[in-house]
Amino acid sequence: KNEVEQSPQNLTAQEGEFITINCSYSVGISALHWLQQHPGGGIVSLFMLSSGKKKHGRLIATINIQEKHSSLHITASHPRDSAVYICAVRPGSGGSRLTFGEGTQLTVNP
Amino acid sequence: NAGVTQTPKFQVLKTGQSMTLQCAQDMNHEYMSWYRQDPGMGLRLIHYSVGAGITDQGEVPNGYNVSRSTTEDFPLRLLSAAPSQTSVYFCASQWGRNTEAFFGQGTRLTVV
Repeated sequence: KNEVEQSPQNLTAQEGEFITINCSYSVGISALHWLQQHPGGGIVSLFMLSSGKKKHGRLIATINIQEKHSSLHITASHPRDSAVYICAVRPGSGGSRLTFGEGTQLTVNP
Repeated sequence: NAGVTQTPKFQVLKTGQSMTLQCAQDMNHEYMSWYRQDPGMGLRLIHYSVGAGITDQGEVPNGYNVSRSTTEDFPLRLLSAAPSQTSVYFCASQWGRNTEAFFGQGTRLTVV
């Protein structure tokens, strides 16, 4: 079992829909990152959080440390949101490495 | 402010050749890392550095070397390329351990 599991693996939505991508992890962490990877490959950091909730525009990220679970929500989705969304965690036991989920491929149709 | 710059973007190597993937950041970040991304797998850590002169191995270090002589640069060397090293490589940097990560644009490497 991977340390970081994302669901769903693939998601297709219609423009305007509310989207949720989930991330579960099995180790204690000091931080969780949500990343976005567009076709063409570049990776951009969306959020880094260790508790609670963060919001940036139409994107909202939440984390529940006790349940070892995080969600990324996209409100009023748009075709330009089509990308791979990646969850990554940094273990709380020390060390510098990030452990990544396999990513969720999101396609938003007009 | 260029962020993290990776070169080259694409490279084809023959088995046994060596090459260096360049990574430079202009944000004075202490933490730098190299990852590889393969289909069906999450990004995996190859090597990382927590400051100039300090490097350590990640999950999949075999066949790769790194050095960190300056804060800005963190090159990744393939000593003798193998087809199993065909992948997309990403360099990343962070100011500190629990800070935002910045990624380069990636290098698509094919070893034939």
